[in-house]
Amino acid sequence: DTAVSQTPKYLVTQMGNDKSIKCEQNLGHDTMYWYKQDSKKFLKIMFSYNNKELIINETVPNRFSPKSPDKAHLNLHINSLELGDSAVYFCASSQGRPGGDTQYFGPGTRLTVL
Amino acid sequence: GNSVTQMEGPVTLSEEAFLTINCTYTATGYPSLFWYVQYPGEGLQLLLKATKADDKGSNKGFEATYRKETTSFHLEKGSVQVSDSAVYFCALITGGFKTIFGAGTRLFVKA
Repeated sequence: DTAVSQTPKYLVTQMGNDKSIKCEQNLGHDTMYWYKQDSKKFLKIMFSYNNKELIINETVPNRFSPKSPDKAHLNLHINSLELGDSAVYFCASSQGRPGGDTQYFGPGTRLTVL
Repeated sequence: GNSVTQMEGPVTLSEEAFLTINCTYTATGYPSLFWYVQYPGEGLQLLLKATKADDKGSNKGFEATYRKETTSFHLEKGSVQVSDSAVYFCALITGGFKTIFGAGTRLFVKA
């Protein structure tokens, strides 16, 4: 069984479109995260949710909106996509308080904006 | 503020060579320290961790010792394999809400 899953794995779209990435974890964890990884592999935290409550909201454009319908799911919606949004987006989860324990990562979603 | 500094890559080694990837940190309090590994096309996964000074984390032949006096957590392996080719991330957790990741070090192992 996959612990942290993301869909889709690849996403190719045109500038200006709106797209969503879904994430689910079956580990029973309280906290979920979204990270952006650029082409140089640098990993940047975007958001963190604990029991459906937003805890971390880094300096991310407000075109990015996370939504957590329950503590096992954290989806990422992106409006008006731009070329600079092209990256690999990783969902992760951990037990307990945000940032407090080992994180478990999904396989990533490679977003390409044309 | 809290930060993690890793040696820049890429690191290229021949199979069976000795590996060291340096990691130093700056943190308030007593952080827990981690090494994560990212294989090509996959997400990060925990490789090993240490939660207090002088602890040694180990897994799959990799080791790292938490050195408070030098604020370091260097990753070592005695004999690397081609399958160890990946990107390695050093990370720390303090009392805040974020895990602080280093910039990653890419390792290439040649047969």
